[in-house]
Amino acid sequence: DTGVSQNPRHKITKRGQNVTFRCDPISEHNRLYWYRQTLGQGPEFLTYFQNEAQLEKSRLLSDRFSAERPKGSFSTLEIQRTEQGDSAMYLCASSLNAVSGNTIYFGEGSWLTVV
Amino acid sequence: ILNVEQSPQSLHVQEGDSTNFTCSFPSSNFYALHWYRWETAKSPEALFVMTLNGDEKKKGRISATLNTKEGYSYLYIKGSQPEDSATYLCALGLTFGNEKLTFGTGTRLTIIP
Repeated sequence: DTGVSQNPRHKITKRGQNVTFRCDPISEHNRLYWYRQTLGQGPEFLTYFQNEAQLEKSRLLSDRFSAERPKGSFSTLEIQRTEQGDSAMYLCASSLNAVSGNTIYFGEGSWLTVV
Repeated sequence: ILNVEQSPQSLHVQEGDSTNFTCSFPSSNFYALHWYRWETAKSPEALFVMTLNGDEKKKGRISATLNTKEGYSYLYIKGSQPEDSATYLCALGLTFGNEKLTFGTGTRLTIIP
Protein backbone atom coordinates (compact mmCIF):
# COMPACT_ATOMS: atom_id res chain seq x y z
CA ASP A 1 0.00 0.00 0.00
CA THR A 2 1.80 3.09 -1.25
CA GLY A 3 -0.82 5.54 -0.04
CA VAL A 4 -2.09 8.59 -1.87
CA SER A 5 0.69 10.23 -3.86
CA GLN A 6 0.77 13.87 -4.92
CA ASN A 7 3.21 15.83 -7.02
CA PRO A 8 4.78 18.21 -7.17
CA ARG A 9 5.02 18.67 -3.43
CA HIS A 10 5.91 22.33 -3.81
CA LYS A 11 5.30 24.78 -6.61
CA ILE A 12 6.21 28.44 -6.81
CA THR A 13 4.73 30.25 -9.75
CA LYS A 14 4.29 33.77 -10.98
CA ARG A 15 0.87 35.33 -10.98
CA GLY A 16 -0.92 34.63 -14.22
CA GLN A 17 0.82 31.34 -14.94
CA ASN A 18 -0.95 28.00 -15.11
CA VAL A 19 -0.14 25.15 -12.74
CA THR A 20 -1.13 21.51 -12.65
CA PHE A 21 -1.08 19.09 -9.75
CA ARG A 22 -1.31 15.35 -10.02
CA CYS A 23 -2.81 12.86 -7.58
CA ASP A 24 -2.42 9.09 -7.64
CA PRO A 25 -4.97 7.54 -5.29
CA ILE A 26 -4.68 4.25 -3.47
CA SER A 27 -5.07 1.48 -5.97
CA GLU A 28 -8.70 0.40 -6.53
CA HIS A 29 -10.14 3.36 -4.65
CA ASN A 30 -13.04 4.53 -6.73
CA ARG A 31 -13.55 7.87 -4.98
CA LEU A 32 -11.08 10.71 -5.27
CA TYR A 33 -11.34 14.10 -3.60
CA TRP A 34 -9.56 17.44 -3.78
CA TYR A 35 -9.37 19.77 -0.81
CA ARG A 36 -7.62 23.07 -0.22
CA GLN A 37 -6.14 24.33 3.00
CA THR A 38 -5.08 27.86 3.78
CA LEU A 39 -3.19 28.94 6.88
CA GLY A 40 -5.19 28.71 10.07
CA GLN A 41 -8.08 26.87 8.46
CA GLY A 42 -9.10 23.28 8.13
CA PRO A 43 -9.13 21.67 4.69
CA GLU A 44 -12.02 22.82 2.48
CA PHE A 45 -13.73 20.58 -0.02
CA LEU A 46 -13.20 21.43 -3.69
CA THR A 47 -14.47 18.53 -5.76
CA TYR A 48 -14.76 14.75 -5.93
CA PHE A 49 -14.89 11.96 -8.47
CA GLN A 50 -16.61 8.62 -8.51
CA ASN A 51 -14.40 6.71 -10.94
CA GLU A 52 -14.01 9.11 -13.88
CA ALA A 53 -17.18 11.10 -13.19
CA GLN A 54 -16.87 14.44 -11.40
CA LEU A 55 -19.94 14.42 -9.18
CA GLU A 56 -19.70 17.63 -7.20
CA LYS A 57 -17.81 20.90 -7.30
CA SER A 58 -17.64 23.46 -4.53
CA ARG A 59 -18.43 27.13 -5.06
CA LEU A 60 -14.78 27.62 -4.09
CA LEU A 61 -13.81 26.11 -7.41
CA SER A 62 -13.85 29.08 -9.76
CA ASP A 63 -13.85 28.65 -13.52
CA ARG A 64 -10.06 28.98 -13.45
CA PHE A 65 -9.91 25.61 -11.74
CA SER A 66 -10.45 22.35 -13.56
CA ALA A 67 -10.06 18.80 -12.35
CA GLU A 68 -10.03 15.62 -14.36
CA ARG A 69 -9.82 11.93 -13.75
CA PRO A 70 -9.79 10.60 -17.28
CA LYS A 71 -9.41 6.88 -16.68
CA GLY A 72 -10.76 6.68 -13.19
CA SER A 73 -7.29 6.33 -11.72
CA PHE A 74 -5.02 9.37 -11.29
CA SER A 75 -6.42 12.89 -11.25
CA THR A 76 -5.11 16.32 -12.20
CA LEU A 77 -6.06 19.70 -10.81
CA GLU A 78 -5.21 22.63 -13.06
CA ILE A 79 -5.33 26.26 -12.04
CA GLN A 80 -5.25 28.74 -14.88
CA ARG A 81 -4.14 32.36 -14.59
CA THR A 82 -3.06 31.90 -10.99
CA GLU A 83 -3.74 34.63 -8.46
CA GLN A 84 -2.04 35.27 -5.13
CA GLY A 85 -5.20 34.11 -3.39
CA ASP A 86 -4.66 30.66 -4.87
CA SER A 87 -1.65 30.17 -2.59
CA ALA A 88 -2.55 27.21 -0.41
CA MET A 89 -1.98 23.54 0.14
CA TYR A 90 -3.94 21.34 -2.23
CA LEU A 91 -4.77 17.97 -0.72
CA CYS A 92 -5.92 14.89 -2.55
CA ALA A 93 -7.71 12.00 -0.87
CA SER A 94 -9.26 8.71 -1.86
CA SER A 95 -11.66 6.15 -0.49
CA LEU A 96 -12.92 2.76 -1.50
CA ASN A 97 -16.68 2.89 -1.30
CA ALA A 98 -19.44 5.45 -1.23
CA VAL A 99 -20.54 4.45 2.24
CA SER A 100 -20.58 6.59 5.33
CA GLY A 101 -18.05 5.43 7.82
CA ASN A 102 -15.38 4.53 5.31
CA THR A 103 -11.95 5.96 5.94
CA ILE A 104 -10.81 8.69 3.59
CA TYR A 105 -7.04 8.63 3.05
CA PHE A 106 -5.12 11.80 2.33
CA GLY A 107 -1.91 12.50 0.49
CA GLU A 108 0.83 14.79 1.75
CA GLY A 109 -0.46 17.72 -0.24
CA SER A 110 0.96 20.06 -2.83
CA TRP A 111 2.00 23.50 -1.66
CA LEU A 112 1.33 26.33 -4.11
CA THR A 113 2.89 29.74 -3.70
CA VAL A 114 1.88 32.41 -6.19
CA VAL A 115 4.24 35.38 -6.29
CA ILE B 1 -22.68 27.49 6.57
CA LEU B 2 -21.89 24.51 8.75
CA ASN B 3 -19.63 25.18 11.72
CA VAL B 4 -17.44 22.43 13.04
CA GLU B 5 -15.67 23.85 16.03
CA GLN B 6 -12.64 22.48 17.82
CA SER B 7 -11.32 23.54 21.16
CA PRO B 8 -8.87 24.47 22.35
CA GLN B 9 -7.02 25.89 19.34
CA SER B 10 -3.71 24.91 20.86
CA LEU B 11 -2.54 22.98 23.85
CA HIS B 12 0.77 22.34 25.59
CA VAL B 13 0.93 19.18 27.66
CA GLN B 14 3.73 17.76 29.76
CA GLU B 15 5.04 14.40 28.61
CA GLY B 16 3.29 11.62 30.51
CA ASP B 17 0.16 13.64 31.23
CA SER B 18 -3.20 12.76 29.70
CA THR B 19 -5.25 15.25 27.74
CA ASN B 20 -8.44 15.64 25.77
CA PHE B 21 -10.02 18.05 23.35
CA THR B 22 -13.38 18.64 21.79
CA CYS B 23 -15.07 18.74 18.41
CA SER B 24 -18.54 20.34 18.33
CA PHE B 25 -20.96 20.23 15.44
CA PRO B 26 -24.65 20.78 14.66
CA SER B 27 -26.44 17.62 15.72
CA SER B 28 -28.75 17.45 12.71
CA ASN B 29 -27.84 15.90 9.34
CA PHE B 30 -25.07 13.82 10.84
CA TYR B 31 -23.65 10.77 9.10
CA ALA B 32 -20.05 10.34 10.22
CA LEU B 33 -17.39 11.99 12.34
CA HIS B 34 -13.73 11.59 11.38
CA TRP B 35 -10.63 12.30 13.45
CA TYR B 36 -7.25 12.88 11.82
CA ARG B 37 -3.77 13.46 13.19
CA TRP B 38 -1.64 15.74 11.03
CA GLU B 39 2.07 16.04 11.64
CA THR B 40 4.06 18.68 9.83
CA ALA B 41 5.25 17.63 6.37
CA LYS B 42 3.21 14.44 6.48
CA SER B 43 -0.22 13.45 5.25
CA PRO B 44 -3.19 13.62 7.61
CA GLU B 45 -3.42 10.24 9.31
CA ALA B 46 -6.90 8.80 9.77
CA LEU B 47 -7.47 7.93 13.42
CA PHE B 48 -11.16 7.12 13.74
CA VAL B 49 -14.43 7.17 11.86
CA MET B 50 -17.54 7.09 14.03
CA THR B 51 -21.12 6.91 12.88
CA LEU B 52 -23.31 5.91 15.82
CA ASN B 53 -24.33 7.85 18.88
CA GLY B 54 -22.37 6.50 21.82
CA ASP B 55 -19.56 5.14 19.62
CA GLU B 56 -16.25 4.73 21.38
CA LYS B 57 -13.09 3.92 19.45
CA LYS B 58 -9.59 3.22 20.70
CA LYS B 59 -6.19 3.02 19.03
CA GLY B 60 -3.35 2.47 21.45
CA ARG B 61 -3.25 5.41 23.86
CA ILE B 62 -5.76 7.42 21.84
CA SER B 63 -9.51 7.06 22.14
CA ALA B 64 -12.57 8.96 21.00
CA THR B 65 -16.22 9.18 21.93
CA LEU B 66 -19.22 10.48 20.02
CA ASN B 67 -22.47 12.09 21.11
CA THR B 68 -24.58 12.88 18.07
CA LYS B 69 -27.61 14.04 20.04
CA GLU B 70 -25.74 16.88 21.67
CA GLY B 71 -23.28 17.32 18.82
CA TYR B 72 -19.81 16.67 20.19
CA SER B 73 -16.91 14.27 20.10
CA TYR B 74 -14.00 14.01 22.49
CA LEU B 75 -10.51 12.81 21.68
CA TYR B 76 -8.44 11.51 24.58
CA ILE B 77 -4.71 10.88 24.71
CA LYS B 78 -3.42 8.91 27.67
CA GLY B 79 0.17 9.31 28.82
CA SER B 80 1.22 11.84 26.16
CA GLN B 81 4.45 11.19 24.31
CA PRO B 82 6.53 13.60 22.17
CA GLU B 83 5.38 11.80 19.02
CA ASP B 84 1.80 12.83 19.83
CA SER B 85 2.71 16.41 18.92
CA ALA B 86 0.55 17.22 15.90
CA THR B 87 -2.59 19.00 14.78
CA TYR B 88 -5.72 16.98 15.44
CA LEU B 89 -8.54 17.61 13.00
CA CYS B 90 -12.12 16.50 13.19
CA ALA B 91 -14.37 16.42 10.14
CA LEU B 92 -18.06 15.91 9.67
CA GLY B 93 -19.56 13.83 6.91
CA LEU B 94 -22.99 15.21 6.18
CA THR B 95 -24.18 12.92 3.44
CA PHE B 96 -24.71 9.19 3.15
CA GLY B 97 -22.10 8.86 0.44
CA ASN B 98 -19.50 10.41 2.72
CA GLU B 99 -18.07 12.26 -0.24
CA LYS B 100 -17.59 15.65 1.34
CA LEU B 101 -16.08 16.36 4.72
CA THR B 102 -16.40 19.63 6.60
CA PHE B 103 -13.35 20.14 8.77
CA GLY B 104 -12.77 22.06 11.95
CA THR B 105 -9.72 24.27 12.25
CA GLY B 106 -7.90 21.75 14.41
CA THR B 107 -6.27 21.55 17.83
CA ARG B 108 -2.51 22.03 17.78
CA LEU B 109 -1.01 19.77 20.47
CA THR B 110 2.57 20.20 21.67
CA ILE B 111 4.04 17.72 24.10
CA ILE B 112 6.71 19.18 26.37
CA PRO B 113 9.47 16.65 27.16
